[in-house]
Order: sequence, then C-alpha cells, then structure tokens
Amino acid sequence: KAGVTQTPRYLIKTRGQQVTLSCSPISGHRSVSWYQQTPGQGLQFLFEYFSETQRNKGNFPGRFSGRQFSNSRSEMNVSTLELGDSALYLCASSFVGENTEAFFGQGTRLTVV
Amino acid sequence: EDQVTQSPEALRLQEGESSSLNCSYTVSGLRGLFWYRQDPGKGPEFLFTLYSAGEEKEKERLKATLTKKESFLHITAPKPEDSATYLCAVPTQNQFYFGTGTSLTVIP
Repeated sequence: KAGVTQTPRYLIKTRGQQVTLSCSPISGHRSVSWYQQTPGQGLQFLFEYFSETQRNKGNFPGRFSGRQFSNSRSEMNVSTLELGDSALYLCASSFVGENTEAFFGQGTRLTVV
Repeated sequence: EDQVTQSPEALRLQEGESSSLNCSYTVSGLRGLFWYRQDPGKGPEFLFTLYSAGEEKEKERLKATLTKKESFLHITAPKPEDSATYLCAVPTQNQFYFGTGTSLTVIP
C-alpha cells in the first residue's frame, strides 16, 4: 500500500512569490491535514480537509490556503512568501480524521530567499 | 489554553540504558494521545495511540503509558537505531496539538 506522497521534496522561492505544494494521501483516506514544522515552533497545524471541505483551520494568516480534490489529493498554496515561511511542510492523511491515526508524508522543504 | 509539553528536550543514553520521555497536556476532553517518531529530514512515523488513563501499548523496546495529565514513553535497553525525535500529539475538537519533541541519541 503506497504511503503519503508529497511533491516536490524541495523548493527554493524568492520573497513575494507564491508556491503550491501537493499531497496524495493513502488510498481510501479522506482526510488530509497540513502542518508547518520549524526548529523553533515544532509542528503547527495549518488546516484539515475532508471530502473536499475545509473542516478545521489553525492560526495562520490568509496567505496560507488549501483545497482538496474529489480523489482526496490536496494542495496547499502560500502567497506573497516571506522569509519566515521557510519550513518543512508536512501533510498527513487519515481515514476519517479527528482522533484517528494520521500517517505523514516525507514533507516539502521550502526555502524562501 | 490547550497545550502539550514534552520533556526533556534532549536525551543522550548509552546503549542499553533505559529511560522515559514525558508528554504532559492540558486539553479539555481528551480524545486520545498519539506518539510519533521522526528521523531527520523525514515525516513523523506513527507509533502508538492511547485513549484512556491506565492504557499501555508496547512495540519492541518502546512502551507508552497514559494518565489523566501525562503520557510516558519508556525505552528499554535502547539501541543506536532508536535515535530520533519522539513527538506526542493530542487532538482537540479542531486540531492536533504537537509537542516540540524529545531528541533522543543512543550512543553505542
């Protein structure tokens, strides 16, 4: 059974640009969550999508957005990049979300210069 | 305020030297507590879920326990391959709260 796939693995962007990250969940999983991981803050929840609807959202500015498609694949977009957005972005999939086990992808390492 | 705190931040053990990692939480309405292992440059790997106080789960050299206010991850006779960052997470109604992790180094 294939795991969670995130693409690309690495990205370098310039301040002010925008970026789109992709996540393909485990087959059959309908919930996809996104997290930002930085050395100082640890893993911070961005948002969760379930059946193409955003179900929960963390405390991030509106520059961070996402969507989920009918095949459960999800994308995350960050507009007007700032240096502080440099981080490892992780997505996690689970069967129904909430308090069920979540399985993580390898992450996308975003560097903003 | 919902919060998850892990201690210690870093732990160095000799191979075979058992120890425990702590995860304390202040969330209302516990819905479970999750332990993950994360290797450098990789995503977290699921280890355990605990749902109620008194529950214990074991996997190889790891054993997780849960009380009403905290969870422990006991590592028995660790090996160098157990070196990693161990994360705990607690779901609330709206999101998962992760601790900042314990970085474990096991020295041969």
